Amino acid sequence: EDKVVQSPLSLVVHEGDTVTLNCSYEVTNFRSLLWYKQEKKAPTFLFMLTSSGIEKKSGRLSSILDKKELFSILNITATQTGDSAVYLCAVRGGTSYGKLTFGQGTILTVHP
Amino acid sequence: GAGVSQSPSNKVTEKGKDVELRCDPISGHTALYWYRQSLGQGLEFLIYFQGNSAPDKSGLPSDRFSAERTGGSVSTLTIQRTQQEDSAVYLCASSPGQGKITDTQYFGPGTRLTVL
Repeated sequence: EDKVVQSPLSLVVHEGDTVTLNCSYEVTNFRSLLWYKQEKKAPTFLFMLTSSGIEKKSGRLSSILDKKELFSILNITATQTGDSAVYLCAVRGGTSYGKLTFGQGTILTVHP
Repeated sequence: GAGVSQSPSNKVTEKGKDVELRCDPISGHTALYWYRQSLGQGLEFLIYFQGNSAPDKSGLPSDRFSAERTGGSVSTLTIQRTQQEDSAVYLCASSPGQGKITDTQYFGPGTRLTVL
């Protein structure tokens, strides 16, 4: 059975701190790993990673995938209160082409 | 352009009643997905439609759950004889579905279902 595990489950920091969120996975026929940010209801897309060792970057957020060790990290530098959200990691693979298997999410709270 | 839309945004029903949840995907997207998110949990895959192919129903939790997609666009998720454990946020997503590894799913705002 495909499995995605995120850590930590929750994290509380102050503005300006740097955080690293972790995602490990076990999936057959891996295709891609995705990060989403969920503030209220709709998860919003952040990154998709398919190749090992290539960093994706968008402003203060960056992510990298290690296909050998089966994990990904999401870094957020100089955190702001607007970064407070649930960060979801999902993996596409297995026998179903379209299905995403999600981790349980990391709840990030950034205090002023 | 418009994103994925879902209706209703909230639905409260009594145990044993049937409910229908609607999803309008992004125009031109051929793939459509339904997920369920229970309180404090990650998203759980339910069903996936791709073009005219038979849907992947492998995530439907019981035969009380069904979904259809008419005309390759709008989809309806139906839950019959609702139970309290069906209470969750039901999220719909769509993607271009062009068969590429980089195919990305975009989510709607969800329908919060509460079964009393």
